[in-house]
Amino acid sequence: DTEVTQTPKHLVMGMTNKKSLKCEQHMGHRAMYWYKQKAKKPPELMFVYSYEKLSINESVPSRFSPECPNSSLLNLHLHALQPEDSALYLCASSPPGQVSGNTIYFGEGSWLTVV
Amino acid sequence: DQQVKQNSPSLSVQEGRISILNCDYTNSMFDYFLWYKKYPAEGPTFLISISSIKDKNEDGRFTVFLNKSAKHLSLHIVPSQPGDSAVYFCAASAVDGANNLFFGTGTRLTVIP
Repeated sequence: DTEVTQTPKHLVMGMTNKKSLKCEQHMGHRAMYWYKQKAKKPPELMFVYSYEKLSINESVPSRFSPECPNSSLLNLHLHALQPEDSALYLCASSPPGQVSGNTIYFGEGSWLTVV
Repeated sequence: DQQVKQNSPSLSVQEGRISILNCDYTNSMFDYFLWYKKYPAEGPTFLISISSIKDKNEDGRFTVFLNKSAKHLSLHIVPSQPGDSAVYFCAASAVDGANNLFFGTGTRLTVIP
């Protein structure tokens, strides 16, 4: 089973709203990721959590706030977003270990539209 | 600067024929390479991977070839099926263990029945 579950699948929010994207995996993976993908572009890394600790933040604006409550859950809190933040947000996870070579498995993504 | 490049944005192939998707990279520290398939409105699905210690990995209809000296890899799909029509992303990760994937820009494969 290589399932990463994301909710909601679609989200429309205003620029003053506060919302959250949620991600869950039960594969025992200890690394979890948020990627952002704009149309006709490759996924771009935003955050990496390793063993529930934030290990990589790719200079993401503070209006995006990640949270890893436990080893199975990953949230992305959204506040005061801009229309250009509209994109597909992908959660992913990979097996334990820091060694390169771990396959990263993606969820189906959450489509975010900021109006 | 794009460290992983897929220079063909699209490819059309007749059903039953071979599809060859190409990928080039610039970072010599990359040691693990993956191919993902993506349908519209879905997340990327892992297809096949290869470690830098190998030059070929095969899984059913899918074979990935790695030429380290040329910093080039390719994905062969044979025989191609209409259900293979999707965008294919090449990705690479480096020996520093940061678990970060660098993606190419993708190639849209269309398999014509």
